[in-house]
Formats: sequence, C-alpha cells, structure tokens
Amino acid sequence: AQKITQTQPGMFVQEKEAVTLDCTYDTSDQSYGLFWYKQPSSGEMIFLIYQGSYDEQNATEGRYSLNFQKARKSANLVISASQLGDSAMYFCAMRDARSNDYKLSFGAGTTVTVRA
Amino acid sequence: KAGVTQTPRYLIKTRGQQVTLSCSPISGHRSVSWYQQTPGQGLQFLFEYFSETQRNKGNFPGRFSGRQFSNSRSEMNVSTLELGDSALYLCASSPEKISDTQYFGPGTRLTVL
Repeated sequence: AQKITQTQPGMFVQEKEAVTLDCTYDTSDQSYGLFWYKQPSSGEMIFLIYQGSYDEQNATEGRYSLNFQKARKSANLVISASQLGDSAMYFCAMRDARSNDYKLSFGAGTTVTVRA
Repeated sequence: KAGVTQTPRYLIKTRGQQVTLSCSPISGHRSVSWYQQTPGQGLQFLFEYFSETQRNKGNFPGRFSGRQFSNSRSEMNVSTLELGDSALYLCASSPEKISDTQYFGPGTRLTVL
C-alpha cells in the first residue's frame, strides 16, 4: 500500500521568497511517479510537476522544482520567488507505475499563504 | 486544447435522491478517473475508466457507479444519497499510459441536505 505524508498543515511565506513543502512517501515498489498539484480556493487541481522514480535529475518547471531524495523517500516541492497567486493548497501524490493501478494516492495537503 | 470540463459545477440534493455527474476529458485522452474530496477524508479514488471499461475501483459502496462512453466522456452516479456524500467530486483525464499525468477538471461540488 502506498502512503503519502505531508507534515505541514499550513505555511506562511513572504512574497518573493522561496518556500519548501515537505512530502515523504512509503512504497515497496521500485517504479513509481510522484506528482505535485496546486488547488486554489476555486477547487480545481492544477498539475505542477512530475518526477519519475528512475529520473536521475530533479524535475524543474519554471518556478517549481522538486527536491527528490529517493533513499530518504522524500519529494519536496520548492517554489521560488513566491507570488500572491501562489496562495493555495498543495498536494503531493504518487502512483505505482508498474501495477495496473492507475489511481493517484494523495497526501493531506499543505496550505500556503503568501503575504505581501 | 480545452481542459477537462465537469457539469454541473454545483448541486444540492436531499438524502435518498440520486445524482449524475458528467466529465468531458481533454481531447485525445482516453482514461478518466474520479476522486472524492472531503475535509475529513481528503482525496480518495473512486474509479478509473479506459475505452469504456472500468480498470480500477476504489473502496466505495456500490451506490457509487460510473461509466464511460465511446467518445471518452464519463459519468458517475450516486444513488440513495447520504449526508456523508457531500463533497467535491473531481474528474481527471490522461492520455493512456500509467505514467501519464492526470489533468483535473474544476470539480462538482455536491451538497446533500
């Protein structure tokens, strides 16, 4: 069974600063994918970034980067140069890439509030 | 490309009624997944469809059902609604492979009174 842990229920960050959101996962599988999604108050889940378990380099996507430490089973999201529009809930998710189980398993989420 | 669309966006029903939610995936996407999001349970997987076949099902009672049409559009149905079914129902589509990213729609917010 997969389990995703996000230990930070809420975080405050100053505009233009960087913020790191923690995510640890537990799986016995060797092949898996890790995802981060952003959910504003409107409710839509917005895909941010993906990291495959066999990817050698950390994923980056604009102001988003993923600090992937496979041995520690952690996949922290770093948001650089925070903007007011980054205020939202952020979810870490994982999917086993080998089985026929297509579901995403989500963490509990971290609420980020960006202050001007 | 248009994103995933879900209709209706908001619904209010009473206990015992049934409800049907609709999801249109991104053009070319053949897999559609459904998730339920509640404050208490978080995001939970309901089921996933590909080429009109249910490939995976989450741990939900039989009152929750779904289907997919030949154009990849999907519907989910909840019968005999309970108060606890009040939630945001999110639909996600992906192209085909298990490694593909799932893209979500805006959700349908269901309130059961």
